[in-house]
Formats: sequence, structure tokens, C-alpha cells
Amino acid sequence: QVQLVESGGGLVKPGGSLRLSCAASGFTFSDYYMSWIRQAPGKGLEWVSYISSSGSTIYYADSVKGRFTISRDNAKNSLYLQMNSLRAEDTAVYYCARVGGSYRTFDYWGQGTLVTVSS
Amino acid sequence: SYVLTQPPSVSVAPGQTARITCGGNNIGSKSVHWYQQKPGQAPVLVVYDDSDRPSGIPERFSGSNSGNTATLTISRVEAGDEADYYCQVWDSSSDFLDVVFGGGTKLTVL
Repeated sequence: QVQLVESGGGLVKPGGSLRLSCAASGFTFSDYYMSWIRQAPGKGLEWVSYISSSGSTIYYADSVKGRFTISRDNAKNSLYLQMNSLRAEDTAVYYCARVGGSYRTFDYWGQGTLVTVSS
Repeated sequence: SYVLTQPPSVSVAPGQTARITCGGNNIGSKSVHWYQQKPGQAPVLVVYDDSDRPSGIPERFSGSNSGNTATLTISRVEAGDEADYYCQVWDSSSDFLDVVFGGGTKLTVL
């Protein structure tokens, strides 16, 4: 069965960096676009970034552009999010999600990892 | 950028029908997906491409989309349906494919 397991979250000071990982299993990882989506405490879902199956196409939300970098290693079935220059407003649960089907739904999600940016 | 508007809350008695709307400019021309999120859990896709259900989602969940409003309908509501619901589209009006979520609707089962 499809599994997505995020890791790497934690407490970091403003201006600091963190690298999130998402380990995928149960499907052919290299066939799928992948995405990061976040949810601030008590708030709604906010798309962060997505990456094509080969890694050649990458887009970011304006709120993270220039600070976050998405990447993937298809040999390791892993998705990453390098987060630099972190701000308090980046505090959120970060989910990795598979982009599935011809309608590009987020058809599978991980359980999320919490990132807290605070001094 | 494209905006999706959902009511913050909807309340319904068990056994009744809940309708959750998602408004957007000419949303009827887009493919709308709906996600259910229960407290402390990751979202789950419940309706895709306006009205299709993934396997394992009860027939009680249905959707429609026309004009400026998409609607998620939950028939014969059960206590277990209490959750936050989000609509989502892909928008190509900018120079790339943007992902847009609605603000979410909290469904309360009375």
C-alpha cells in the first residue's frame, strides 16, 4: 500500500534552516509528481511546492519562493524540502502528498511533520 | 491569483443532507477536488474531478460544479462525517500551474 512518511520537523529559531524528508513506498515513486502542503495551527491548507516526476519542473508558492527548495531522489524514493531563512509564519505541519491521476489530485498524504519557528 | 471561497461552518442533524459550497470565478470550467480532514489527521480525498469518488469513499459523498459554485453533498450524514472539508483546484491563469485550496468548512453534526 502507498505510504508517505515525513521526518525532519522540529523547533528552529527565526532565520534558521531545516530539511524535511518524505520517504515513499508502495508505488513507483519516479512516475509521480510530488508536493509539499502545509497547515499552520488552527488554519487551512496551503500549498508550498511541487516537483515533477523527473525533477525538471518545480514551482513554489510566492510565500516561500527564494527561501525553500524542493528536490527528490528517485533512487531513494525520497522527497525533500530544504527550508532556509525561516520565519514565525512558517510554523506549520508540513505534509508531503502524491499528485495522482490525470486530474492531478493529492491522492495520498503523509501524516505530517511539525515545524515550529520560535526564539 | 485565483480565490476559492467556502463558508466557515455548516451544521446538520444526523440523517440529513449537508451541502458545502466552494465559490470561484467561473469555477465550472475547472476540475474541483474535495478533501476531508478529521482532527489530528491528514486530509483524505473524498471527491475528485467535480463528482467522482475514489475507491472506498461511500456513495453518500457526491459533488457538482457549475457556473461560479462547486458543491460537496453528503447524504444521510453520520457523526463520523464531522470534519473540515477543503475544495481545491489547479489554476493556470498565471505563468504556471498554481494549486489553490479553499479556506475550509467545518462540518458539525448536531
